[in-house]
Amino acid sequence: GAGVSQTPSNKVTEKGKYVELRCDPISGHTALYWYRQSLGQGPEFLIYFQGTGAADDSGLPNDRFFAVRPEGSVSTLKIQRTERGDSAVYLCASSPTTGNTEAFFGQGTRLTVV
Amino acid sequence: DQQVKQNSPSLSVQEGRISILNCDYTNSMFDYFLWYKKYPAEGPTFLISISSIKDKNEDGRFTVFLNKSAKHLSLHIVPSQPGDSAVYFCAASETGANNLFFGTGTRLTVIP
Repeated sequence: GAGVSQTPSNKVTEKGKYVELRCDPISGHTALYWYRQSLGQGPEFLIYFQGTGAADDSGLPNDRFFAVRPEGSVSTLKIQRTERGDSAVYLCASSPTTGNTEAFFGQGTRLTVV
Repeated sequence: DQQVKQNSPSLSVQEGRISILNCDYTNSMFDYFLWYKKYPAEGPTFLISISSIKDKNEDGRFTVFLNKSAKHLSLHIVPSQPGDSAVYFCAASETGANNLFFGTGTRLTVIP
């Protein structure tokens, strides 16, 4: 398919463990975003990449969260020492350019920390 | 602090009638507004957007109205169809920014 692909679709992990969430953006899209959606809330911005660089990481809640996009395409969101409060749906989105343009979202990864 | 608010968690409308979803915002620096639709187990899907230089944008059955003085926007769907049943999110961004601020969503149910 030509859409944004996220893997895994579901992840259950124990408190304290490390997890990686993967995002394959739409081919050719230079901008990539990570959002987090908790139950009953709207998506909350985490980090934005323009190419390989993190242009804005102001939404990352703390230093346990980190994201990379080494070749300007696939991105990985990494969470260390997971806590139960990290449980949420993690959404990735991409757009062809920056600025005022709609972002195309993947289906999300549901992370459950037990 | 929620900068984009959708005060109605749910809305039910008869098929064929108009659906009106409302959104309020507090940040006067927002200049671009979007509506997304979300089905269960799927990511949000872009529906329609409006720039702050306009007060109305129409796309088929969907029209978004922006009232900057009231910091309010609304999405009108007419006529409503059962396939429109989903959660609708309002989102906004500031000038030159790339991140979106989302509301908490309104669940629309269109009754056949």
